[in-house]
Amino acid sequence: AQKVTQAQTEISVVEKEDVTLDCVYETRDTTYYLFWYKQPPSGELVFLIRRNSFDEQNEISGRYSWNFQKSTSSFNFTITASQVVDSAVYFCALSESYNQGGKLIFGQGTELSVKP
Amino acid sequence: DADVTQTPRNRITKTGKRIMLECSQTKGHDRMYWYRQDPGLGLRLIYYSFDVKDINKGEISDGYSVSRQAQAKFSLSLESAIPNQTALYFCATSAPRGDEQFFGPGTRLTVL
Repeated sequence: AQKVTQAQTEISVVEKEDVTLDCVYETRDTTYYLFWYKQPPSGELVFLIRRNSFDEQNEISGRYSWNFQKSTSSFNFTITASQVVDSAVYFCALSESYNQGGKLIFGQGTELSVKP
Repeated sequence: DADVTQTPRNRITKTGKRIMLECSQTKGHDRMYWYRQDPGLGLRLIYYSFDVKDINKGEISDGYSVSRQAQAKFSLSLESAIPNQTALYFCATSAPRGDEQFFGPGTRLTVL
């Protein structure tokens, strides 16, 4: 069965601290995609990144970086020098292969609070 | 204009009422999805549709039904709403290769 686990329910940091959000996944597929979404207090889902299972290169986008390790089935997300505007709920998700429906399996979400 | 729209954005209804949530998309995608979000549970799949004639149950379909009126429209119905269906509902469409989904803004539903 496919599953995504975000063990950290809530994280609270002070502005400018670095913070890592953990994501562990389970799948039997050899081809799959991993995602991170941000949900600010306004409620919409904001796409942050997609990574396919064949690309283990880490990615950096400004203050955001992602560490994908197939050996540990993890896809962790780090925010460097956090800001108050980073306060949100962050979801990690796993996509089944297209032929299996392409459905997204979401983790429970991690609520990040960045205090000034 | 947004690529995926949902109406209404907010709805308060009473137990036992029938309610329909609507989703429209302008992306031309064949695949559409309905998810439900509850605190601490993330998003869970209710129904999904590969095209107008192909509709499938998701993880939590009990108490819900759907209608795919056209490629661009996918509606979710609660035939007899109950309080534990109070949640945030998202519609999504799938890109041609199925590896990316585009979400609507969500509908916040409260069942009293």
